[in-house]
Amino acid sequence: EVQLVESGGGLVQPGGSLRLSCAASGFTFSSYWMHWVRQAPGKGLVWVSRINSDESSTNYADSVKGRFTISRDNAKKTLYLQMNSLTGEDTAVYYCARESTYYDSSGYPTRAFDIWGQGTMVTVSS
Amino acid sequence: EIVMTQSPATLSVSPGERATLSCRASQSVRSNLAWYQQKPGQAPRLLIYGASTRATGITARFSGSGSGTEFTLTISSLQSEDFAVYYCQQYNNWWTFGQGTKVEIK
Repeated sequence: EVQLVESGGGLVQPGGSLRLSCAASGFTFSSYWMHWVRQAPGKGLVWVSRINSDESSTNYADSVKGRFTISRDNAKKTLYLQMNSLTGEDTAVYYCARESTYYDSSGYPTRAFDIWGQGTMVTVSS
Repeated sequence: EIVMTQSPATLSVSPGERATLSCRASQSVRSNLAWYQQKPGQAPRLLIYGASTRATGITARFSGSGSGTEFTLTISSLQSEDFAVYYCQQYNNWWTFGQGTKVEIK
């Protein structure tokens, strides 16, 4: 079964750090770009970060740039998100998601987040 | 940053009726648009990619259309399991989501 399972969430004080993990199974993890997406309580989805398949390229939302670091271990089939200098605005469910490439009827490549983990809750509070 | 705006915020529909959800991009995203469904306490699920192609296992009740800046998700005959929040996402230039449309039972 194709699956992503996040872990590492919890309660952390403002200014603290947390490392999230996302364990992949059922597919060739090293072939896919991976993302982190978060969702504050009662709010919508917000893209956080992306890493390409060989870890040579990463991107971050402005709101987390300089504080969060995305990484992966293809041998362990695991995606990570190191979160530092956390604030209350970082309180959210954090999802990892796989990005797949598809081809439309014209043969044009397109992409989408086709597999999502169940999410892990991060609460930043004193 | 490309801003995605969904309307309406909430759509009240009776079972069996048709639902039409809109998504507008602040600049052209070509056909690089996806739709996701999210139910309470669950992760999002991919419905549509490339603006109009249904993902694997998605019922034909769901259809997507549009290109450029205007997109539509149509649910032809709402079933009980379709009441959820729907998000559009552009991936033409980085990745941004709309704020969501909640489809509720009328």
